[in-house]
Amino acid sequence: RKEVEQDPGPFNVPEGATVAFNCTYSNSASQSFFWYRQDCRKEPKLLMSVYSSGNEDGRFTAQLNRASQYISLLIRDSKLSDSATYLCVVNKKKSSGDKLTFGTGTRLAVRP
Amino acid sequence: DADVTQTPRNRITKTGKRIMLECSQTKGHDRMYWYRQDPGLGLRLIYYSFDVKDINKGEISDGYSVSRQAQAKFSLSLESAIPNQTALYFCATSESSRASGANVLTFGAGSRLTVL
Repeated sequence: RKEVEQDPGPFNVPEGATVAFNCTYSNSASQSFFWYRQDCRKEPKLLMSVYSSGNEDGRFTAQLNRASQYISLLIRDSKLSDSATYLCVVNKKKSSGDKLTFGTGTRLAVRP
Repeated sequence: DADVTQTPRNRITKTGKRIMLECSQTKGHDRMYWYRQDPGLGLRLIYYSFDVKDINKGEISDGYSVSRQAQAKFSLSLESAIPNQTALYFCATSESSRASGANVLTFGAGSRLTVL
């Protein structure tokens, strides 16, 4: 089983739709979680960190479920500019330092 | 100017050639990383460095070497390139462990390497 798993998509949605992505992780000792956004042929950029209590940034909501070992990203009122690949990232502290593991990403295509 | 700058942005080379990818940063971060990205495999860590005197292997270090010339510079070398090293390579930086942003990565724009 992969350490971090995401549905690769693509999710093809109309403008204005609400779309949700899930990401599961296998290591229960994982301690911090993030969503990154990557546009085609560009570098990943931090979208938001995911906190235990859940957090919201405008149209984006991230949630963490430690019991079931998954994180989610909800995008409301989708815009054309939201089209990108969304990467789930999980961090586990080790004696040698933190270990960040990336999911392979979920592709979102928002159509007019 | 970008916070994390990678050169070259694109490179085509032949099997057996030595290649160096360079990375420099103006963020003042202690930690620097080299990743490669392949379709369907996501980002995989090649090497990382927590300060100038600290170099660590990542999950796929075979066939690669690195040099941390200064806090701001971290270069990746392929001593004898082979076709399966064709990939998109990213350099990234982050703050030290005591900082609140310790696990947040800032990436360079990427270096696309093709080995024929």
